[in-house]
Amino acid sequence: AQSVTQLGSHVSVSEGALVLLRCNYSSSVPPYLFWYVQYPNQGLQLLLKYTSAATLVKGINGFEAEFKKSETSFHLTKPSAHMSDAAEYFCAVSRADGGATNKLIFGTGTLLAVQP
Amino acid sequence: DTGVSQNPRHKITKRGQNVTFRCDPISEHNRLYWYRQTLGQGPEFLTYFQNEAQLEKSRLLSDRFSAERPKGSFSTLEIQRTEQGDSAMYLCASSLPQIYNTEAFFGQGTRLTVV
Repeated sequence: AQSVTQLGSHVSVSEGALVLLRCNYSSSVPPYLFWYVQYPNQGLQLLLKYTSAATLVKGINGFEAEFKKSETSFHLTKPSAHMSDAAEYFCAVSRADGGATNKLIFGTGTLLAVQP
Repeated sequence: DTGVSQNPRHKITKRGQNVTFRCDPISEHNRLYWYRQTLGQGPEFLTYFQNEAQLEKSRLLSDRFSAERPKGSFSTLEIQRTEQGDSAMYLCASSLPQIYNTEAFFGQGTRLTVV
């Protein structure tokens, strides 16, 4: 079975400050890990993904995440927040072992607010 | 536009009515997924198609829900005898086969409100 826990349903940062959104996963098989962003009344856009290559993954819009197997974590960071980063962020896990569906299991999301 | 397309974007219906949503995936994607997202929650998996075959259904997909993907192209999700608890955003996603190590691309969703 797989699951994702996102610590902090709401995170608020000042513009220019570090963004850190936490994600811990549980998986009985090797995982693929993803971060998606969702703007109001929109679908989900992929920020970045870990698929068993480099453990430090760089994504779009200056975001990056590090896969730490020992900590079962995949935290999302950005050195300097921009007002346009305000959105909801979802961490997701899927199977890396060729499981039939490759469906995504999502966390409950973290709403990021950026203060001017 | 070559992305995943969902119609309608919004649907308001009375309790007890039937509704149908459509998803047009990216043309070369043979995998298609439906997810449901309620307020304050992450998307939850409903069902999965590989080409025209429905290979997995979540226990969330009650017998009032049915999904099809004729000819392995577009897909429809029908909800019969809608209930207020069905109010949610219904998201469709598509992807290439896993061997291509690729992500799922999501549509903008259909927001259903049952009154």
